[in-house]
Amino acid sequence: SAVISQKPSRDICQRGTSLTIQCQVDSQVTMMFWYRQQPGQSLTLIATANQGSEATYESGFVIDKFPISRPNLTFSTLTVSNMSPEDSSIYLCSVDTGTSRPYEQYFGPGTRLTVT
Amino acid sequence: AQSVTQPDIHITVSEGASLELRCNYSYGATPYLFWYVQSPGQGLQLLLKYFSGDTLVQGIKGFEAEFKRSQSSFNLRKPSVHWSDAAEYFCAITGGGNKLTFGTGTQLKVEL
Repeated sequence: SAVISQKPSRDICQRGTSLTIQCQVDSQVTMMFWYRQQPGQSLTLIATANQGSEATYESGFVIDKFPISRPNLTFSTLTVSNMSPEDSSIYLCSVDTGTSRPYEQYFGPGTRLTVT
Repeated sequence: AQSVTQPDIHITVSEGASLELRCNYSYGATPYLFWYVQSPGQGLQLLLKYFSGDTLVQGIKGFEAEFKRSQSSFNLRKPSVHWSDAAEYFCAITGGGNKLTFGTGTQLKVEL
């Protein structure tokens, strides 16, 4: 397993601004993931972040809106840019661990974002 | 494309009663299956998983799930529910890669 922390835990932001969310893991992991959970909805994968390469975005998500950094094997950031009220969601990072596929994914506590 | 259906949006049970949460999936082969729980204000916690072998799997907190290939189902069960089990439960699948596809979740309420 892995222990994952996220900062901030919640924030209220004005439209048009940007917020960077941090995700820290207590061990080195190859792959980190960013999910969005809109109010009353399930989780949707935004992108996969590998250390040393560009993030891979899912359909409907673009780098200009959700830039991701992955500077090392224990840390990643997700920025929500030029925010609008539709971006109000819980953003969760996750990591997969294990020595063979399929890996188990472990999730951070989430960042609750409200855009006014 | 893979998909997960959790037909029950909300379920209410009395404390001490048994529980079954339904999960059906669509996938071209046998997927890898997971159940997660999300308590209010918390992230997701892995309850149990099925990869292969025995189709009845045991998880944490007294939960179990049974994989039924013929029904494309992976229902979650607990013999006796505790008030602390009130939470949202998500079923998820993957084809063996890293991308998890989640169901829409079932909100469990426990009446005392």
